Amino acid sequence: QVQLKESGPGLVQPSQTLSLTCTVSGLSLTSNSVSWIRQPPGKGLEWMGVIWSNGGTDYNSAIKSRLSISRDTSKSQVFLKMNSLQTEDTAMYFCASYLFGYGPFAYWGQGTLVTVSS
Amino acid sequence: DIVLTQAPLSVSVTPGESASISCRSSKSLLSSKGITSLYWYLQKPGKSPQLLIYRMSNLASGVPDRFSGSGSETDFTLKISKVETEDVGVYYCAQFLEYPWTFGGGTKLELK
Repeated sequence: QVQLKESGPGLVQPSQTLSLTCTVSGLSLTSNSVSWIRQPPGKGLEWMGVIWSNGGTDYNSAIKSRLSISRDTSKSQVFLKMNSLQTEDTAMYFCASYLFGYGPFAYWGQGTLVTVSS
Repeated sequence: DIVLTQAPLSVSVTPGESASISCRSSKSLLSSKGITSLYWYLQKPGKSPQLLIYRMSNLASGVPDRFSGSGSETDFTLKISKVETEDVGVYYCAQFLEYPWTFGGGTKLELK
């Protein structure tokens, strides 16, 4: 059974750096990509970036300068770091995994809410 | 960026009746490999999105067959026949043909 679970600080001050972890079970990070997607309160979905099975990354150009995605395959964890946070970065952050034939967002975590506020 | 435009913004349906949701792409989503890279997701209230349809018309595992997807290279439709109470939520289309991967704005399905 595939499971993804996001974890993080919940509250981040403006201009600070956000660090989130996605812990994956039931699939291998060396065979499946993992993406980060966010959703501001009451709004739609925005893809942020992906880390591929070979460790390569691709980012949404809108936030690429602030974003970094990495992983630790031994712990089956994927990390998101985003700097210079502003109030508009307040959102639910999801990680989602690829499944062959089903596309990049076949499985989703429950999400973690990040509020940017002083 | 590829823009996906969904219509309507919301739809109210009597249980047992059908509903259709449109998704229009600003660019053809047909890849050079002959795959149409259009996907449908449902986000139930308070939950994370779940995959319904992949590659325009293929039903994801465990999804009831009252859901179906169809379309062309730029115009797509999700149809729900015999809507049930568990179908309530926001439906999103998404494309994975080009970066950045993008979503439609969502269509909210409610029951009458």
